[in-house]
Amino acid sequence: GAVVSQHPSRVICKSGTSVKIECRSLDFQATTMFWYRQFPKQSLMLMATSNEGSKATYEQGVEKDKFLINHASLTLSTLTVTSAHPEDSSFYICSASSLAQETQYFGPGTRLLVL
Amino acid sequence: AQKITQTQPGMFVQEKEAVTLDCTYDTSDPSYGLFWYKQPSSGEMIFLIYQGSYDQQNATEGRYSLNFQKARKSANLVISASQLGDSAMYFCAMREGRVSGSARQLTFGSGTQLTVLP
Repeated sequence: GAVVSQHPSRVICKSGTSVKIECRSLDFQATTMFWYRQFPKQSLMLMATSNEGSKATYEQGVEKDKFLINHASLTLSTLTVTSAHPEDSSFYICSASSLAQETQYFGPGTRLLVL
Repeated sequence: AQKITQTQPGMFVQEKEAVTLDCTYDTSDPSYGLFWYKQPSSGEMIFLIYQGSYDQQNATEGRYSLNFQKARKSANLVISASQLGDSAMYFCAMREGRVSGSARQLTFGSGTQLTVLP
């Protein structure tokens, strides 16, 4: 299967700071990347969909000014959690797909802890 | 209404036995795809198997097979010869609509925690 990396794998930050998470497709060109959030023992909740070169589409209830998404190239998308607060602590995981693929391939995820 | 329903929050299976994880779905779109992912405690989502709505045969990938019953709208995952390393959370997911232009989002079920007993 295709390989997707995510960095960092774990981050601890102070309340009020911003955190950037990178998602890279290593061996294919990802026309679309998805960002999910997962709380403990729950399912994945889609936050936003980003297509290369265009603005991200956010799901209802997700603040686009708080969760900034940039998909500047076919291999990289970034999620920036701005002015993070303790309630933003969660597991963030990205996935990537291309026009030629039925399947979304996931990164290993990022555990964010905001103190 | 839930689009993907996994009714088993937890399942136990003896090592080397087969286990079936249930998944039912709800869609009015004639074109859709069904996926199963495995999520171990490390958190990564591992793609296991895919079934397209127009596929005539049930999908198989090694020890994984998908029991696709279109009329019942079910897509159960069968794991044969369970191994200790199969212990993980398993998610069923659906993509509605044909893939064109840009990839479409997945809708996930609530998951089933599988524990394989030695």
